[in-house]
Amino acid sequence: GAVVSQHPSRVICKSGTSVKIECRSLDFQATTMFWYRQFPKQSLMLMATSNEGSKATYEQGVEKDKFLINHASLTLSTLTVTSAHPEDSSFYICSAIGAGGEDYGYTFGSGTRLTVV
Amino acid sequence: SQQGEEDPQALSIQEGENATMNCSYKTSINNLQWYRQNSGRGLVHLILIRSNEREKHSGRLRVTLDTSKKSSSLLITASRAADTASYFCATFLLEYGNKLVFGAGTILRVKS
Repeated sequence: GAVVSQHPSRVICKSGTSVKIECRSLDFQATTMFWYRQFPKQSLMLMATSNEGSKATYEQGVEKDKFLINHASLTLSTLTVTSAHPEDSSFYICSAIGAGGEDYGYTFGSGTRLTVV
Repeated sequence: SQQGEEDPQALSIQEGENATMNCSYKTSINNLQWYRQNSGRGLVHLILIRSNEREKHSGRLRVTLDTSKKSSSLLITASRAADTASYFCATFLLEYGNKLVFGAGTILRVKS
């Protein structure tokens, strides 16, 4: 089955620094990748949608300059949290689909727990 | 907002009992999907039901869809302690691009 690898699984960083999270589709070409944010005991909130080779589409209220998304290839998307602050601490999850994948369910990464101190 | 609502928010049952979770949504859909999330982990796709389907089975899972009521239910039969997790429904509508919109989720605890 389709596998999405997300790294790192946990990261602690100092306030003001930037953190990069990688999302890779291991055995399929991901035409579209999604980035979600999840607070404790809450649902997933979509942050942005990225298509290979084009600019990401951000959801309303998500700061583009703070959450930089790059989808440089059909197997890799990265989310960079710039100038992180404690309020950015959260669980970030990516998901990916290939061509026609919306008919079969999405594949999710295992998530990244970001703690900003 | 297309985001769905799920009930109950939390459900605690004994091993062997059935667990039913409900999901309601607001707009038309192409399909509805159910996902499972173990604590602190990513989501695992369980089952997808298309808008022209009314019921679908997968192992101990049974999903129903009522598009007239804009609602779906997930039934887990003969629950096991390992079924303890959060369960989310997510709707897909092509007009909104190919993004999923998630419900609030149900936290299921199966006691052994």
